[in-house]
Amino acid sequence: EAGVAQSPRYKIIEKRQSVAFWCNPISGHATLYWYQQILGQGPKLLIQFQNNGVVDDSQLPKDRFSAERLKGVDSTLKIQPAKLEDSAVYLCASSRLPQEGYTFGSGTRLTVV
Amino acid sequence: AQSVTQPDIHITVSEGASLELRCNYSYGATPYLFWYVQSPGQGLQLLLKYFSGDTLVQGIKGFEAEFKRSQSSFNLRKPSVHWSDAAEYFCAVGAPYNNNDMRFGAGTRLTVKP
Repeated sequence: EAGVAQSPRYKIIEKRQSVAFWCNPISGHATLYWYQQILGQGPKLLIQFQNNGVVDDSQLPKDRFSAERLKGVDSTLKIQPAKLEDSAVYLCASSRLPQEGYTFGSGTRLTVV
Repeated sequence: AQSVTQPDIHITVSEGASLELRCNYSYGATPYLFWYVQSPGQGLQLLLKYFSGDTLVQGIKGFEAEFKRSQSSFNLRKPSVHWSDAAEYFCAVGAPYNNNDMRFGAGTRLTVKP
């Protein structure tokens, strides 16, 4: 089966600019996650979708981050405006059943200068 | 919410030696437990998982892990390490009764000496 697709692979922006990331999960996976991984740390959950509804966004900085999942398939994560501390790898993952674990995409490496 | 502790930030082993990476979790019930591996510049790959049944689970690449409820641990082991095993290893815990979200430890970086 095809994996989780993410784009772009890399992005460099100036602080206060906006940026968007795209994710296409594995077909049939109802649950989609966005994680932020800062260099040297483990991934931190930002938001979890079940189909096109939000299950958990308690760790999403809602003043600058937003996410949506269109028609329960693709998802976009946006940052506006970006700060230096947003520099990280943004990982998208999907799962069919939670006990099966998640399948991760290769991530988008964001550098804010 | 659940949490995960990986006590070792960095471990160095010689090629051919055995390996054990430690993982402790905090959760009020039996969680789902996972080990992932991440090579530089890559996403995370699932090595193995536990959610019920036999507490010793086998994974890919010759890895195994044992769930010990009494110690709240899920340590990863490999009897003989290969140079290609050098990577970052993450333990993760999923919460069956809390939105099923997954929380990760900070990771253990494995270096393999020739």
